[in-house]
Amino acid sequence: NAGVTQTPKFRILKIGQSMTLQCTQDMNHNYMYWYRQDPGMGLKLIYYSVGAGITDKGEVPNGYNVSRSTTEDFPLRLELAAPSQTSVYFCASSYSSQGGSNQPQHFGDGTRLSIL
Amino acid sequence: QKEVEQNSGPLSVPEGAIASLNCTYSDRGSQSFFWYRQYSGKSPELIMSIYSNGDKEDGRFTAQLNKASQYVSLLIRDSQPSDSATYLCAVKGNNRLAFGKGNQVVVIP
Repeated sequence: NAGVTQTPKFRILKIGQSMTLQCTQDMNHNYMYWYRQDPGMGLKLIYYSVGAGITDKGEVPNGYNVSRSTTEDFPLRLELAAPSQTSVYFCASSYSSQGGSNQPQHFGDGTRLSIL
Repeated sequence: QKEVEQNSGPLSVPEGAIASLNCTYSDRGSQSFFWYRQYSGKSPELIMSIYSNGDKEDGRFTAQLNKASQYVSLLIRDSQPSDSATYLCAVKGNNRLAFGKGNQVVVIP
């Protein structure tokens, strides 16, 4: 059971380059999330999705884009990389049902991204 | 006021002692509460969830929730060196989790 899989695990980008961080889950979860975590800090929500075709902004969406064409995949796109985007990026997923309890989020192993 | 606050600095506890972590939240309508453990360089992993007032025990971990006072706490009994990590409090509201910045726990053998 793979859970939440993120690729790549590490990446170095030059300022102005673009890239896509991949995230896929095999648990049939409807909710998916992207966070960034700076050293010594908590997790900040970038974008989230409550189902295929639906995305919404979190706390720190500027400089990022997402799409959710399938239940399994939730890629995060950086269009013009900036040094301020150097961080560790975590993808997570969870299942929530209408009127049901909110299930906890399961995290991928993270992508360590450096912008130089 | 931040959504989720964990204000304590690094916590050092002797092996075998109790570690106590506290968290307060601002959204009175929140219904789901979680504690995650994060080892250095690793992703967060869920250790406790709690949804109703009172205590919930799971092994050496006890989560306590008081919705009236808007706080949730985590107790780690018989602390072990393997418990040395950062503990993140998370509160669910409006389709997303809000995380505190975490408390570092160091268990001293």
